[in-house]
Amino acid sequence: GNSVTQMEGPVTLSEEAFLTINCTYTATGYPSLFWYVQYPGEGLQLLLKATKADDKGSNKGFEATYRKETTSFHLEKGSVQVSDSAVYFCSSSSGNTGKLIFGQGTTLQVKP
Amino acid sequence: EAGVVQSPRYKIIEKKQPVAFWCNPISGHNTLYWYLQNLGQGPELLIRYENEEAVDDSQLPKDRFSAERLKGVDSTLKIQPAELGDSAVYLCASSSELAEQFFGPGTRLTVL
Repeated sequence: GNSVTQMEGPVTLSEEAFLTINCTYTATGYPSLFWYVQYPGEGLQLLLKATKADDKGSNKGFEATYRKETTSFHLEKGSVQVSDSAVYFCSSSSGNTGKLIFGQGTTLQVKP
Repeated sequence: EAGVVQSPRYKIIEKKQPVAFWCNPISGHNTLYWYLQNLGQGPELLIRYENEEAVDDSQLPKDRFSAERLKGVDSTLKIQPAELGDSAVYLCASSSELAEQFFGPGTRLTVL
């Protein structure tokens, strides 16, 4: 079945550092791919998405490119802020069911 | 616009007791999802409704879990009887058709 694997955390960075959180997926067909963010005490929020190969999703300085050849959707940000501290989830949606498959989440801690 | 509302936010019960969670989706969203999120893991789909019909309940443990969405708006998820392993966060999400899913803050259940 479909699955999503993302790098284990926590990831600890200093403010203004470059961020990469790796995500790979397995799927039949061509799923849509998502990054969700969960701030402490809040629900998951959609951060960005890509619906087909080579699409780049971007939002709030975060970017991720749908790479079919490597089945990856790595999250990047050029300069992180303390306010980016949260748990980040990579996810795929298969077929026309709307069902989301999530990775295990990666905790990001940004220190001033 | 109000987001997805869930109550209670926290619930502590003893094992073998029943418990119920309530979700009110975003107005106009016909699709409603219940997810289970274990500590340190990503959410896993329990059940998906389209209007009042449960269209995917394959992951719902039907021996102790039940759900309803009688009028196609708000929904209740019930566990009876609860077991220690049910301690987790229960997330509700809604969407319009199969578009972006919006998540509520979740109910954190602790079974003692």
